[in-house]
Amino acid sequence: DQQVKQNSPSLSVQEGRISILNCDYTNSMFDYFLWYKKYPAEGPTFLISISSIKDKNEDGRFTVFLNKSAKHLSLHIVPSQPGDSAVYFCAARGNAGNMLTFGGGTRLMVKP
Amino acid sequence: GAVVSQHPSWVICKSGTSVKIECRSLDFQATTMFWYRQFPKQSLMLMATSNEGSKATYEQGVEKDKFLINHASLTLSTLTVTSAHPEDSSFYICSAILSRDRGEAFFGQGTRLTVV
Repeated sequence: DQQVKQNSPSLSVQEGRISILNCDYTNSMFDYFLWYKKYPAEGPTFLISISSIKDKNEDGRFTVFLNKSAKHLSLHIVPSQPGDSAVYFCAARGNAGNMLTFGGGTRLMVKP
Repeated sequence: GAVVSQHPSWVICKSGTSVKIECRSLDFQATTMFWYRQFPKQSLMLMATSNEGSKATYEQGVEKDKFLINHASLTLSTLTVTSAHPEDSSFYICSAILSRDRGEAFFGQGTRLTVV
């Protein structure tokens, strides 16, 4: 049973436009959510996170939105750049322990 | 951000041999580290939680005797793949967290293991 799902395996966006990556979860005990960017054969790189007590967190071009009632979060990247092309994973942490549960990832391709 | 170093970045070994992968937190102490495995085009799957000074906690379906984890110090955790088989070929990644208050986990570079 996948507790964290990214239903779009891939997304293609034009440079300069907005990229919106979505993530859904089922476990209401998750209290912290994170987004990671990953290139092939490399470890994930932390991008941005949000606590369950907030509904928005912004850092430069990256904004994460959390809708607890819908158990949904999204990552907005604006403006998108070709260097943003990578696989993006959302992850969630339970309120006990520190392990992360990852979604399946979404491959973002930003076209020049 | 915090630095987690993983070594080696890639390794090729013969079936039946053992391979050790190291994960170090370079600029912070990590009482807890995590080991993940990633199959091609799939997500990161947690294998085990490594706790300094105590036994690792393995996820369901992960063989404890095959994937030996040792967390002997606050900056080093090791994963040993024992009696490796071709099906163990995968990408292994470790991570560590600074503290529970700062929930982001920092990841090592990953290790590509190929068993021939």
